Amino acid sequence: GAVVSQHPSWVICKSGTSVKIECRSLDFQATTMFWYRQFPKQSLMLMATSNEGSKATYEQGVEKDKFLINHASLTLSTLTVTSAHPEDSSFYICSARDPGGGETGELFFGEGSRLTVL
Amino acid sequence: GQNIDQPTEMTATEGAIVQINCTYQTSGFNGLFWYQQHAGEAPTFLSYNVLDGLEEKGRFSSFLSRSKGYSYLLLKELQMKDSASYLCAVSDSNYQLIWGAGTKLIIKP
Repeated sequence: GAVVSQHPSWVICKSGTSVKIECRSLDFQATTMFWYRQFPKQSLMLMATSNEGSKATYEQGVEKDKFLINHASLTLSTLTVTSAHPEDSSFYICSARDPGGGETGELFFGEGSRLTVL
Repeated sequence: GQNIDQPTEMTATEGAIVQINCTYQTSGFNGLFWYQQHAGEAPTFLSYNVLDGLEEKGRFSSFLSRSKGYSYLLLKELQMKDSASYLCAVSDSNYQLIWGAGTKLIIKP
């Protein structure tokens, strides 16, 4: 299956700093990638849909100025958590659809990035 | 509103069979997914059902009844490595995935 890689896996930062998380599709081109956030013992929450070459589509309640998404190429999307605070500590996961599966294709997930803000 | 319900936690014995249920109410339906998620890791795909009936894949099977808004994931010959959370997700009319909270499955020797 398709491979999605995410980096870094773990990041600890001080409150007020910014953190960038990268998501790469290694063996396919992804015009669309999805960014999720998952708090402990909770379900995946879609934050935004990243679209190559255009602005990301954010879900209701997600601050677009705080969670900056850039999808500069067909294989790379980045999520930048700006001015991070302890409540932003979470597990952030990116994903992309099986390129041959259309709208109902399975999602391939990156390894996830665990952010801890001190 | 859209809603996915699945039990929070289940316990089963190694070698046994367990069924994890999922009920859903969504605006439209374009298929139901089951994903496995080990603690601290990202989810991995298990199955996809869009038509009624049972789909079997090795030790894992998934069933769907669209009229009842119901699915289950059946795990046979349980192994310790099957201890994980199992997420049910439905693709709605806009092909947006609606996720359940997940069922934590604990396997005991």
